[in-house]
Amino acid sequence: GAGVSQSPRYKVAKRGQDVALRCDPISGHVSLFWYQQALGQGPEFLTYFQNEAQLDKSGLPSDRFFAERPEGSVSTLKIQRTQQEDSAVYLCASSSPGERGNTEAFFGQGTRLTVV
Amino acid sequence: AQSVTQLGSHVSVSEGALVLLRCNYSSSVPPYLFWYVQYPNQGLQLLLKYTSAATLVKGINGFEAEFKKSETSFHLTKPSAHMSDAAEYFCAVSDRAAGNKLTFGGGTRVLVKP
Repeated sequence: GAGVSQSPRYKVAKRGQDVALRCDPISGHVSLFWYQQALGQGPEFLTYFQNEAQLDKSGLPSDRFFAERPEGSVSTLKIQRTQQEDSAVYLCASSSPGERGNTEAFFGQGTRLTVV
Repeated sequence: AQSVTQLGSHVSVSEGALVLLRCNYSSSVPPYLFWYVQYPNQGLQLLLKYTSAATLVKGINGFEAEFKKSETSFHLTKPSAHMSDAAEYFCAVSDRAAGNKLTFGGGTRVLVKP
């Protein structure tokens, strides 16, 4: 596709419910990132994939958060037993191979999760 | 660990006036630095990036930023604000030791007054 696509755009979940957020990166992009953006704050890193390998999951806030990218393309971020503090915008970004740190990350529009 | 500080969570400027958004970073290695803009209910769009070439970087929409190593700063400027510049702006540093994940500042919301 032309850009990074995320679905759903909005999700309302009851506390304790499991949710799954989808990210379709730009075709051919090797690297995929998930970020969490709380209201009024900057995005914070959650996890990073290079192809299907999850190379860094240091930002996942708890073991209720799980991400996968089984075929090296589409990625899913799953949150189990959602809590109110999980309410945020979840941003996905992808980038193409290049000199480390120098490549531009392209962001999707995000999924706004509200836990009630 | 890397960090980014943006001074001022809100900035109000008049249309046609100078826009100045401040960013200071902390990094143990020569940094790659970025400015992103976020419009309401949208993702992040890259304005410009510094990758150790020219210290004065020009970006889209008339924005530019100057890398000053001695001040560990990467301030964003635009000579003349336009109503369409109303948005939130984020400064970020890339962690070259851990893929190229980004560490963002807290953001600065720009309001443009007619």
